[in-house]
Amino acid sequence: KQEVTQIPAALSVPEGENLVLNCSFTDSAIYNLQWFRQDPGKGLTSLLLIQSSQREQTSGRLNASLDKSSGRSTLYIAASQPGDSATYLCAVQGGSEKLVFGKGMKLTVNP
Amino acid sequence: EAGVVQSPRYKIIEKKQPVAFWCNPISGHNTLYWYLQNLGQGPELLIRYENEEAVDDSQLPKDRFSAERLKGVDSTLKIQPAELGDSAVYLCASSFSGTEDNEQFFGPGTRLTVL
Repeated sequence: KQEVTQIPAALSVPEGENLVLNCSFTDSAIYNLQWFRQDPGKGLTSLLLIQSSQREQTSGRLNASLDKSSGRSTLYIAASQPGDSATYLCAVQGGSEKLVFGKGMKLTVNP
Repeated sequence: EAGVVQSPRYKIIEKKQPVAFWCNPISGHNTLYWYLQNLGQGPELLIRYENEEAVDDSQLPKDRFSAERLKGVDSTLKIQPAELGDSAVYLCASSFSGTEDNEQFFGPGTRLTVL
């Protein structure tokens, strides 16, 4: 059974810091990995998707990497801003097409 | 392009009452998912549809939960009767399985409170 872990559960940083969010998964047989953002009381916004054959994806200040063999992904946020404050969730998709999520990491960026 | 639409956004009911949630996926998306998200947890799949067919409902508590996707577009998720433990956010997502990445897009969710 696939399990996804995100540590730490919460992070509070001053504005301007470069951040690394970690995600680990137990079964390396994945189809893809998605990073999502969730604002309080809102749904999930897809940030980046990395296919299993890819190593990384970039969008603006975000960069996500995937090391399938070691079961790890990182989301790098450059020059963090207060508007980046949200919960970030990592999810992996296997052959069943369902997404298996971590519990998320709550990020607070202080002005 | 409109995203995934869900209604209602919030619902408060008393236990043992029935409740229904509606989802309209992104136009052209053939796959529709219902996820359950408890407080402080990541979403968990309840059911997945490919067009009109429920291809994965192994996590759906069938004694009280039911779902349908008539005509392969909109979907309804029903709970009857609701229990206190059903209080959670119910998320709908859609994707087009014909693409290489099969990216899933989520709606805003319905927050259910059972009193």
